[in-house]
Amino acid sequence: ETGVTQSPTHLIKTRGQQVTLRCSSQSGHNTVSWYQQALGQGPQFIFQYYREEENGRGNFPPRFSGLQFPNYSSELNVNALELDDSALYLCASSTGTGGAYNEQFFGPGTRLTVL
Amino acid sequence: GQQLNQSPQSMFIQEGEDVSMNCTSSSIFNTWLWYKQDPGEGPVLLIALYKAGELTSNGRLTAQFGITRKDSFLNISASIPSDVGIYFCAGPPPWGNTGKLIFGQGTTLQVKP
Repeated sequence: ETGVTQSPTHLIKTRGQQVTLRCSSQSGHNTVSWYQQALGQGPQFIFQYYREEENGRGNFPPRFSGLQFPNYSSELNVNALELDDSALYLCASSTGTGGAYNEQFFGPGTRLTVL
Repeated sequence: GQQLNQSPQSMFIQEGEDVSMNCTSSSIFNTWLWYKQDPGEGPVLLIALYKAGELTSNGRLTAQFGITRKDSFLNISASIPSDVGIYFCAGPPPWGNTGKLIFGQGTTLQVKP
């Protein structure tokens, strides 16, 4: 069984640029959640995708957007990058409806640095 | 918004010592989760608690779901160097239908051999 994978591992961008981060969910999982983890903080929920639809969103501006594909993999897109977007971006996959709690399995994350 | 407060923020202990950390919330939770994060990795679930008063063990780890549903505790007995890492409490808010998790700010544990 393959776990959650994310790419790239590290990324450096400059302010104003756009970035796309990718996540492959664990086999058999149909729900993907994205989290932002600033240095020294706990992860903060960005949004969740279930069956290719957004299923809840945290307090992040519209320039954070996502997609989920038929194979349940997912992308996180961030436009107009700001310095404060520098963080570890974590993807987590789970099974179920996406509403009730089901255990979320996290990937290793993508470290984004915005200069 | 709803927040989880963890204490202590960091701990530096000797190998073999027991460790206790806790997590509190101003609102109730119906599920409490404890995760560990190693450097360069995502969080890994250690223990899940689903019922007020529940006490659950996973090897040397024991966690409790507070009776008020506003707190939880994690204990590690006889610490070893591989216990080093950041421990997070987390839980899904009891309302809404988003499936999101709220995390505390973490307790960093360092173990001196």
